[in-house]
Amino acid sequence: DIQMTQSPSSLSASVGDRVTITCRASQSISRFLNWYQHKPGKAPQVLIYGATNLQSGVPFRFSGSGSGTDFTLTISSLQPEDFATYYCQQSFITPSMNTFGQGTKLEIK
Amino acid sequence: QVQLQESGPGLVKSSETLSLTCNVSGGSINNGNYYWSWIRLPAGKGLEWVGRFYIHGKTYYNPSLRSRVTISGDTSKNQFSLRLNSVTAADTAVYYCARSGYSHGEFDYWGQGIRVTVSS
Repeated sequence: DIQMTQSPSSLSASVGDRVTITCRASQSISRFLNWYQHKPGKAPQVLIYGATNLQSGVPFRFSGSGSGTDFTLTISSLQPEDFATYYCQQSFITPSMNTFGQGTKLEIK
Repeated sequence: QVQLQESGPGLVKSSETLSLTCNVSGGSINNGNYYWSWIRLPAGKGLEWVGRFYIHGKTYYNPSLRSRVTISGDTSKNQFSLRLNSVTAADTAVYYCARSGYSHGEFDYWGQGIRVTVSS
């Protein structure tokens, strides 16, 4: 099984801050890493696919980097609507198995 | 525009079977470019992939749930279904259906989710 570990599990930040969330895979997953934003009562929304590709319609302040086992999601300047929970997900062994990280809750400072 | 909508009972008794259906519009579940999955979110925990349906009836399951899960598709109705038997309180969660792409595997369309509570 491929395990995905996110850090931190929670984060307090202010509007305008630059925020970085990391995700580590237990083995190399090349660039098969996707990032999601989830707000309470709504469906999760994909932000980044293939480690670095911005999903259509997602603001440019979101970016992704990394390959192999270590990945990063960066929000360049936090906006009020960005306070949510963020998940990484490996798709390296699709269709057999998909794994999500445990989530990072981003809260207003 | 692809849309997915979950339906089914919101309350299931312990030891019984949870049954949910995902109705898909704006895209065909018979399209070989996509997989159709169930994902759940237990309260206070993270997202967990349950399993997926692919064309020609191919199915794939999370090993931790494989002994209790069945996912099937009905191409005539363009919908796919989840059955989870012998449920316990640990199966209480919001259940989502979602589509993922064949090339990158990202879940690009999701249903709104349905909250299922297992009662004793």
